[in-house]
Amino acid sequence: GENVEQHPSTLSVQEGDSAVIKCTYSDSASNYFPWYKQELGKRPQLIIDIRSNVGEKKDQRIAVTLNKTAKHFSLHITETQPEDSAVYFCAASRSTGGFKTIFGAGTRLFVKA
Amino acid sequence: NAGVMQNPRHLVRRRGQEARLRCSPMKGHSHVYWYRQLPEEGLKFMVYLQKENIIDESGMPKERFSAEFPKEGPSILRIQQVVRGDSAAYFCASSPNRGSTDTQYFGPGTRLTVL
Repeated sequence: GENVEQHPSTLSVQEGDSAVIKCTYSDSASNYFPWYKQELGKRPQLIIDIRSNVGEKKDQRIAVTLNKTAKHFSLHITETQPEDSAVYFCAASRSTGGFKTIFGAGTRLFVKA
Repeated sequence: NAGVMQNPRHLVRRRGQEARLRCSPMKGHSHVYWYRQLPEEGLKFMVYLQKENIIDESGMPKERFSAEFPKEGPSILRIQQVVRGDSAAYFCASSPNRGSTDTQYFGPGTRLTVL
């Protein structure tokens, strides 16, 4: 079945450094890739998303890249701040032949001040 | 514009009881998705509904679990005869348009504890 693998499971960086989280998906028909941030005990919140017709998207300190050939997509956070500490989930979904959104297992990011 | 609402936020049930979880989508949204999240794990898709229709329930266990989204009122996820393994956070999300490639907005979740 469809699967999304996410690495690393835990990531610790120093404040001001960059953080990169990588995901791989199995369903080649996937064409929408959102990223969610979830703070402890709170709801997942969309931080950025990308569709299959573009290779990169940026929003201030956050960027996402997509390689459809390799079925990889990555989240890049630059100039990390302590408030970036949270669990980040990648996801993949398709617009035809099914309506599931498949989530990765999550990456727990710690930003040390 | 209120966001996605879920109630109750916390629910405690004993084994064998029923759990009813409610989700009110954002205003103007007619698509609802339910997910289950176990501690330290990701979100697992359960079911996708539109008003009065179940579109995809492939992630929902066939026994004890059911979901509905009536013409009036919230979407309801119902778990009958709960077992300890049902303990989890249950999130619903809503979107304005058809399909999972629309941005989904999540509710605050219902944390179910089965004693």
